[in-house]
Amino acid sequence: DAGVIQSPRHEVTEMGQEVTLRCKPISGHDYLFWYRQTMMRGLELLIYFNNNVPIDDSGMPEDRFSAKMPNASFSTLKIQPSEPRDSAVYFCASSFRVKGSYGYTFGSGTRLTVV
Amino acid sequence: QKEVEQDPGPLSVPEGAIVSLNCTYSNSAFQYFMWYRQYSRKGPELLMYTYSSGNKEDGRFTAQVDKSSKYISLFIRDSQPSDSATYLCAMIDQGVNAGKSTFGDGTTLTVKP
Repeated sequence: DAGVIQSPRHEVTEMGQEVTLRCKPISGHDYLFWYRQTMMRGLELLIYFNNNVPIDDSGMPEDRFSAKMPNASFSTLKIQPSEPRDSAVYFCASSFRVKGSYGYTFGSGTRLTVV
Repeated sequence: QKEVEQDPGPLSVPEGAIVSLNCTYSNSAFQYFMWYRQYSRKGPELLMYTYSSGNKEDGRFTAQVDKSSKYISLFIRDSQPSDSATYLCAMIDQGVNAGKSTFGDGTTLTVKP
């Protein structure tokens, strides 16, 4: 298995532009999570899905952020318009709850810089 | 106050030392406890996983959970330079948030040759 695949690996964009981050979870995993990591705030959960349905989006910072999971093999996180304070590493993770296993598999992340 | 507090570090030890990494938590509903290792510019990877109280050993790594004290630890024996990374604890309850992990802020470990 190729693991959780995120694209792009790096994104540099100008303030005000739309940014779309993409994630392909591990096949068969029923949970998908979007996290943001910064030095100041650590790992922050933005939103998570169970069987493609958003369960908790309370971590999404504001209306500029949106996430979708149109099918079991693809999810997007969109920021529109982007701001410099959105600069961070964004991780996607997936998991499969079987026999009490709750560990996540993380992707390699997207390093976003908004200038 | 955060639900999960992790010893902030950073921690620097000589090669071969025993390392202790620690987290405390406040939510008594947490049942599953995990340790992740994150190398620089990589995503976290699951290192150890334990359920409820007790110890679990995997090679040089031992995870310990004390639910009565709401305290978990990760011990690394015979530490190696390749163990240099940030270690994050994470916890899950079985209630309405089942499936969602709460992470500590991480402890950065450097093992010097």
